[in-house]
Amino acid sequence: NAGVMQNPRHLVRRRGQEARLRCSPMKGHSHVYWYRQLPEEGLKFMVYLQKENIIDESGMPKERFSAEFPKEGPSILRIQQVVRGDSAAYFCASSPSSMNTEAFFGQGTRLTVV
Amino acid sequence: KQEVTQIPAALSVPEGENLVLNCSFTDSAIYNLQWFRQDPGKGLTSLLLIQSSQREQTSGRLNASLDKSSGRSTLYIAASQPGDSATYLCAVQGFSGNTPLVFGKGTRLSVIA
Repeated sequence: NAGVMQNPRHLVRRRGQEARLRCSPMKGHSHVYWYRQLPEEGLKFMVYLQKENIIDESGMPKERFSAEFPKEGPSILRIQQVVRGDSAAYFCASSPSSMNTEAFFGQGTRLTVV
Repeated sequence: KQEVTQIPAALSVPEGENLVLNCSFTDSAIYNLQWFRQDPGKGLTSLLLIQSSQREQTSGRLNASLDKSSGRSTLYIAASQPGDSATYLCAVQGFSGNTPLVFGKGTRLSVIA
């Protein structure tokens, strides 16, 4: 049973380009969370999704950021028109459908905007 | 709004020493608390999960305690080794379950051989 898979591990984008980050949850997990870690900061929640539904997007900037978790395929975090301040590590976590369970994290995608 | 604080921000100890990392949270209505390890440039590895009804959890040389009423948790590492050098993160989950984790900024630990 593979763990949470994120790709790419490293992504370099020029200002104004789009960044697409992918997350495949652990087998049997239908809940996905995205977090962002800025340098010298803790992880901050961005968005919580279940299959085909956004449950909580209170931590995600209103502009330029979007997320989806389709019925088939990985969850995608999309950042349009990236700016230097978007440079960070983006982590995905998954959990099964039951409550009060351990969160399993992927290795993260490190986005650098140049 | 839940806030999680970890003290100290950084710690350097000689090999073999026992040490304690501290975590405090402002809202005691939590569902669980989780300790993670993060190596530089890497992802998060879950170390211990303490349910709100539990007082402590142990795994090998690690012991985590939880005092929900006072909003505190400690991670005790026995007989520290250079391989323990990493950043240790504390995170709490809200009462509803499957709500997002709220993280502290972490304690950066260096164990000197």
